[in-house]
Amino acid sequence: GAGVSQSPRYKVAKRGQDVALRCDPISGHVSLFWYQQALGQGPEFLTYFQNEAQLDKSGLPSDRFFAERPEGSVSTLKIQRTQQEDSAVYLCASSLVAPPAGEAFFGQGTRLTVV
Amino acid sequence: QQPVQSPQAVILREGEDAVINCSSSKALYSVHWYRQKHGEAPVFLMILLKGGEQKGHDKISASFNEKKQQSSLYLTASQLSYSGTYFCGTEWEDSGAGSYQLTFGKGTKLSVIP
Repeated sequence: GAGVSQSPRYKVAKRGQDVALRCDPISGHVSLFWYQQALGQGPEFLTYFQNEAQLDKSGLPSDRFFAERPEGSVSTLKIQRTQQEDSAVYLCASSLVAPPAGEAFFGQGTRLTVV
Repeated sequence: QQPVQSPQAVILREGEDAVINCSSSKALYSVHWYRQKHGEAPVFLMILLKGGEQKGHDKISASFNEKKQQSSLYLTASQLSYSGTYFCGTEWEDSGAGSYQLTFGKGTKLSVIP
């Protein structure tokens, strides 16, 4: 596609519910990143994939967060038993090359609200 | 160890210039600059690598001072379209094996008014 596509754009979940957020990166991009952005803050790193391999998951805040990219293209970020502190915008970014210093293109994000 | 951006916010009239700084307490490998408008995706502006370089396009340019571990973004003759929040993202020299993240600052909110 022309850019990074994320769905849904908005998600309201009841506390305790599981959610799945989807990211379609730019075709052919090797690298895929997930970031969490709280209101008024910069994006915070969650996890990184190089093709289908998850090489860095140091930013995932708890074992309730799980990400996959099984065929090296589309990625899904799953959050189990959502809590209010999970409310944020979840951004996906892709890059043609592996880090360091690759230009990353961001999607518009999924705004998750946990009530 | 988030990079520190300054100022936190700035208001400009059209045509005025601005400088946004990004400082790190750790040795930098690269600095990435992004602009984000409300409700939109961050948009890539430029990358600067260690070695002290300067880049620019149109009226937006940036420099990387390796000695100070600081990057500055220069916006000249600002336009209404420059409004948004500017973020710097840093990669460190000693991130260690298995680290692939950009660490972003808290952002600088720029408002350009007519």
